[in-house]
Amino acid sequence: QLQLQESGPGVMKPSETLSLTCTVSGGSIGGTSFYWDWIRWSPGTGLEWIGNIYSSGTTYYNPSLKSRVTISVDKSKNQFSLKMTSVTAADTAVYYCAREMTGSGTFIDLWGQGTLVTVSS
Amino acid sequence: QSILTQPPSTSGTPGQRVTISCSGSSSNIGGNNVNWYQHLPGSAPKLLIFANNQRPSRVPDRFSGSKSGTSASMAISGLQSEDEADYYCASWDDSLDAWIFGGGTKVTVL
Repeated sequence: QLQLQESGPGVMKPSETLSLTCTVSGGSIGGTSFYWDWIRWSPGTGLEWIGNIYSSGTTYYNPSLKSRVTISVDKSKNQFSLKMTSVTAADTAVYYCAREMTGSGTFIDLWGQGTLVTVSS
Repeated sequence: QSILTQPPSTSGTPGQRVTISCSGSSSNIGGNNVNWYQHLPGSAPKLLIFANNQRPSRVPDRFSGSKSGTSASMAISGLQSEDEADYYCASWDDSLDAWIFGGGTKVTVL
């Protein structure tokens, strides 16, 4: 059974760079039918898609976050990562990594448990 | 304000049927599939409906989805107390080249 687990800093200060890693276990991140996504949730906003990456390195980003976000993949470690620069309190959220199935239907079907990131001075 | 519009809340008594709407445009729902998620804060979101009306095998048939034009809806039949959660629709937007989520609908079981 494929599982995803996020890891990250927990608490950070405004203007810092957020770095999160998602470790995939129980399957290979190099599969050809999957994208790997980052999504966040906050009480006031709900779910917000951040971006995704294919095993080839192709990425798509939320236009509202694109200038601050980079997603990368490390197939040797079966991990993918998120970097977000210049964080503010508005970036306080639970961050999820997830698997996106492609094919006859495209959907995000598996999620990590999420990691809370709090931005506070 | 989300590009996909959902009612903020709805409610029902046990056993009732509730319906959640999701309104979009030609660049998202009108040209792409809709997926639905159940979310309890503190837990990972759970896929309930994919490709407009398909259920993963582990999801009870009390949950159903449909799409018409630029709108979609999800129904919960035989409402149960465990269905009390937030529900989100999602669709790919061809203009943004991005996934978009609705604002979420809180379902309360009275």
